[in-house]
Amino acid sequence: EDQVTQSPEALRLQEGESSSLNCSYTVSGLRGLFWYRQDPGKGPEFLFTLYSAGEEKEKERLKATLTKKESFLHITAPKPEDSATYLCAVRGLFSGGYNKLIFGAGTRLAVHP
Amino acid sequence: SQTIHQWPATLVQPVGSPLSLECTVEGTSNPNLYWYRQAAGRGLQLLFYSVGIGQISSEVPQNLSASRPQDRQFILSSKKLLLSDSGFYLCAWTPRGRGSSSNQPQHFGDGTRLSIL
Repeated sequence: EDQVTQSPEALRLQEGESSSLNCSYTVSGLRGLFWYRQDPGKGPEFLFTLYSAGEEKEKERLKATLTKKESFLHITAPKPEDSATYLCAVRGLFSGGYNKLIFGAGTRLAVHP
Repeated sequence: SQTIHQWPATLVQPVGSPLSLECTVEGTSNPNLYWYRQAAGRGLQLLFYSVGIGQISSEVPQNLSASRPQDRQFILSSKKLLLSDSGFYLCAWTPRGRGSSSNQPQHFGDGTRLSIL
């Protein structure tokens, strides 16, 4: 069964203190791994898609990397506006024609000035 | 560009009352559409998906139903709400295509916070 586990559940950082969020996955043939940002009371906002091990994507202070078993979201010199819940999701070979995603529970990030 | 709208943003309903949540996508045609429920501290649970008008598939048995009366309209309904139906409901869409175009991310609306009293 396809599974996604994110750690830590919550992370508190000081402004400028770099860190990484982890997404471990088990899937029958990875078609894509997706990172989202979710602000309180809002829907998830798409950040990155990673398709194969070794791939990296960057956006401002965020950098996502992918191995065969996990993905990391690295946050460099975070600012308070980076505070949000970060969700990871995977799509497997057997997701069907409807492009099903399996989501992790997310990591709640709080960046304090 | 494509946009997705959900309403209402918040809803407070008594137990046993009916429910209708609406989701509309603009700027695309023939999208795949999805309804999710998100419980606090848990991942998104897929409730229903649709690949076309009148085509609905359910992921989990529950007190809810979904309908797609038009290409870009997706409705989540219940005849009698239960306390356990409380939660944050999200609608999402992806383009429907083949090959790499079929492996696109899902894009979400801003959700409906449903409280059952």
